[in-house]
Amino acid sequence: EVKLLESGGNLIQPGGSLRLSCAASGFTFSGSVMRWVRQAPGKGLEWVSAISGSGADTYYADSVKGRFTISRDNSKNTLSLQMNSLRVDDTAIYYCAKDAWRGFADFWGQGTLVTVSS
Amino acid sequence: EIVLTQSPATLSLSPGERATLSCRASQSVSSGYLAWYQHKPGRSPRLLVYGASSRATGVPDRFSGSGSGTDFTLTISRLEPDDFAVYYCQQYATSPFITFGQGTRLEIK
Repeated sequence: EVKLLESGGNLIQPGGSLRLSCAASGFTFSGSVMRWVRQAPGKGLEWVSAISGSGADTYYADSVKGRFTISRDNSKNTLSLQMNSLRVDDTAIYYCAKDAWRGFADFWGQGTLVTVSS
Repeated sequence: EIVLTQSPATLSLSPGERATLSCRASQSVSSGYLAWYQHKPGRSPRLLVYGASSRATGVPDRFSGSGSGTDFTLTISRLEPDDFAVYYCQQYATSPFITFGQGTRLEIK
């Protein structure tokens, strides 16, 4: 059974940093592109970042480029998102998701809430 | 960037009725690389359809996807109480850079 379990969400002040993690199990983690997708309060889904199976290639939405860093540890089946210079509009539920093939996600975690507020 | 516009924003229907949700792309979505998800409050999004018309594992056959180019449709043939949720389309023709539509809220009339 595929499982994705996010952690690390918290209340943080603007300008602060936070690191999210996603523990994966039930599939060949190193063979899967992984993504972070977020949902701000009252808004729709927004793609944030993606990383190749090896971790060699990373991709970011313009809204987070230069502030967020995606990484993975294939020895621990863990996906991470380092978020720096956080802004109020980064407030959202952050989901990690596993790509099935070519860019759609067949499994999602339950999400972790990041609140950026003073 | 391919912008996806979903309509209507909200759809009010009764159980047993047929639902038709639309997703229009700002440019052609090559190879029909379009997916649909169901999202309920407090839950993870659930993949329903990929490749414009292929149902994901375990998805009931009352859900069907169709379309090509710039116009795509998700149809729910006979609504059940569990189907009331928000539905998103997503294009992956430009993967790894993907985009979602803004969502259609399907509510009980």
